[in-house]
Amino acid sequence: AQSVTQLDSQVPVFEEAPVELRCNYSSSVSVYLFWYVQYPNQGLQLLLKYLSGSTLVKGINGFEAEFNKSQTSFHLRKPSVHISDTAEYFCAVSDPDQGGSEKLVFGKGTKLTVNP
Amino acid sequence: EAGVTQSPTHLIKTRGQQATLRCSPISGHTSVYWYQQALGLGLQFLLWYDEGEERNRGNFPPRFSGRQFPNYSSELNVNALELEDSALYLCASSLAVGLGAFFGQGTRLTVV
Repeated sequence: AQSVTQLDSQVPVFEEAPVELRCNYSSSVSVYLFWYVQYPNQGLQLLLKYLSGSTLVKGINGFEAEFNKSQTSFHLRKPSVHISDTAEYFCAVSDPDQGGSEKLVFGKGTKLTVNP
Repeated sequence: EAGVTQSPTHLIKTRGQQATLRCSPISGHTSVYWYQQALGLGLQFLLWYDEGEERNRGNFPPRFSGRQFPNYSSELNVNALELEDSALYLCASSLAVGLGAFFGQGTRLTVV
């Protein structure tokens, strides 16, 4: 079964600093990878996804992520964060061979706190 | 275009009662997924419905059940509520594999 590890449960940064949120997944022949953001008392919003092709994917709100197959990683980055980026971020994986299912396996989440 | 909508937003029930949570997917999406987000346990897959059929379920007891209606909306029923069922229940819908699942705002279930 797939598993996802988010190495940092909390990441505090100052406004306008760069940030990297780390994600590793268990090895498989092929996977789809996603990053979601959850603002307080809200549902999940899709930030970006990797299906195939270019290993660098760009998402909304200035975020990007790089797929590294050899390291089974999919780290999320932003060159300059804003106070409004304070939220919890979830990395998720789905197995394209799940018979048509978009069933997602999530990491435990990383709480990003952007301080002024 | 309307997103995934869930109702009610909040639900308070007594231990032993039944809870019914509702979800309307994005128009055109035939698959609906239910997830439980409990404190300390993260997001766990509950159920997947597609074209009116239950296709897969997570590691939850049978008192968690649901159904999908012909219009693709879905209900999640939780019977014999226990205190540990207190959680945010998220519904998601998708059009096809790889396009990503789109989530609703969730129903906060509190069991007292």
